[in-house]
Amino acid sequence: QVQLQESGPGLVKPSETLSLTCTVSRGSVSPYYWSWIRQPPGKGLEWIGYIYYTGTTNYNPSLKSRITMSVDTSKNQFSLKLTSVAAADTAVYYCGRGVTHIDYWGQGIQVTVSS
Amino acid sequence: QSALTQPPSASGSPGQSVTISCTGTSSDVGGYNYVSWYQQHPDKAPKLMIYEVYKRPSGVPDRFSGSKSGNTASLTVSGLQPEDEADYYCYSYAGSNNFYAFGTGTKVTVL
Repeated sequence: QVQLQESGPGLVKPSETLSLTCTVSRGSVSPYYWSWIRQPPGKGLEWIGYIYYTGTTNYNPSLKSRITMSVDTSKNQFSLKLTSVAAADTAVYYCGRGVTHIDYWGQGIQVTVSS
Repeated sequence: QSALTQPPSASGSPGQSVTISCTGTSSDVGGYNYVSWYQQHPDKAPKLMIYEVYKRPSGVPDRFSGSKSGNTASLTVSGLQPEDEADYYCYSYAGSNNFYAFGTGTKVTVL
């Protein structure tokens, strides 16, 4: 079955850019929607946004000004960039397949924002 | 756009049933049949349990069922088992600007 794996730095300095990649295996990024979700420590899930395999995106309005998502079909990957991070962006970040519902999830990657 | 409202906790004894509510508005839960439910064990990724209000993915026990009435969706777990103890989140399409939102989460305890 489809497997997703997040990768990227686990520690990011305040005001810098968080960059994560999700690699899809045992499946293809085409023709699906792909989502990013995060979960601050001890808190609930927050929808960050989605990207379609064609590159169409839609972002959470509360984060929209700081987010960029992209997809690389040749590498079977999609990515998230979050600029100007602060302590409040510390969370486990998950990638997932789908947008109206998310049927496959990555294991999650802990990202801490700290100097 | 706000998170959908769930009770913080719910509990039941093994074999009993527990129902978790997810309350939104006519702009999200009440307006579309894109409500899904996720189970999350500690330090694990969420798992899809119900999608499109009542549909069950392959491999999810039929003890899990979903429904919706008005602006409130519900997840019922029948015949509670110890492994059902987890956090549960609802998730819905919210319409405006193609926004999506999770519920606040419910911790289910099997007594």
